[in-house]
Amino acid sequence: DTEVTQTPKHLVMGMTNKKSLKCEQHMGHRAMYWYKQKAKKPPELMFVYSYEKLSINESVPSRFSPECPNSSLLNLHLHALQPEDSALYLCASSREYQNEKLFFGSGTQLSVL
Amino acid sequence: DQQVKQNSPSLSVQEGRISILNCDYTNSMFDYFLWYKKYPAEGPTFLISISSIKDKNEDGRFTVFLNKSAKHLSLHIVPSQPGDSAVYFCAATYGGSQGNLIFGKGTKLSVKP
Repeated sequence: DTEVTQTPKHLVMGMTNKKSLKCEQHMGHRAMYWYKQKAKKPPELMFVYSYEKLSINESVPSRFSPECPNSSLLNLHLHALQPEDSALYLCASSREYQNEKLFFGSGTQLSVL
Repeated sequence: DQQVKQNSPSLSVQEGRISILNCDYTNSMFDYFLWYKKYPAEGPTFLISISSIKDKNEDGRFTVFLNKSAKHLSLHIVPSQPGDSAVYFCAATYGGSQGNLIFGKGTKLSVKP
């Protein structure tokens, strides 16, 4: 199994909603990542978890809250988002944090109304 | 300020010919470079990488060339196939923190039969 699975694939939410994005991998990878990609822009790193501990938070607003319940799962909790947060949210994993191959999920296309 | 630049948003090539995708970078600290390929509705997938101690890396039809003095790298695909049609992202990182990828904006390659 060499997949990173993200759910849901599409999400529409209002600015007062609370929702969560989920990511799962069963490759035994110990590093997991959230990236954000807006249209016609490159993916931008948001968070890195290494061995279930938050290693990097790239100055992401607190309305995005990551969680790593175990080594296979990564969540991104969303609350009080703004329309400009609409984007494709990509999850990725790698064997270790310092490993060049990232395996990406298909992403969640998020629209904030 | 973009540290990784892909100045050609799109490239169209005939099947069987060579595709050359270019990437420039500004940060001289970068020591590892990667190419990712992305199909619509899928996450990026790792294609090929090169360390700054090398100037060429080859994997089948894909070759990446690195010119450190010019801060330039290129991806050559020979021969190009219609299935190669995708968006290609150049990415760079440094200091062994290969999870902190800085992506370019991508080049959309279309290979025509």
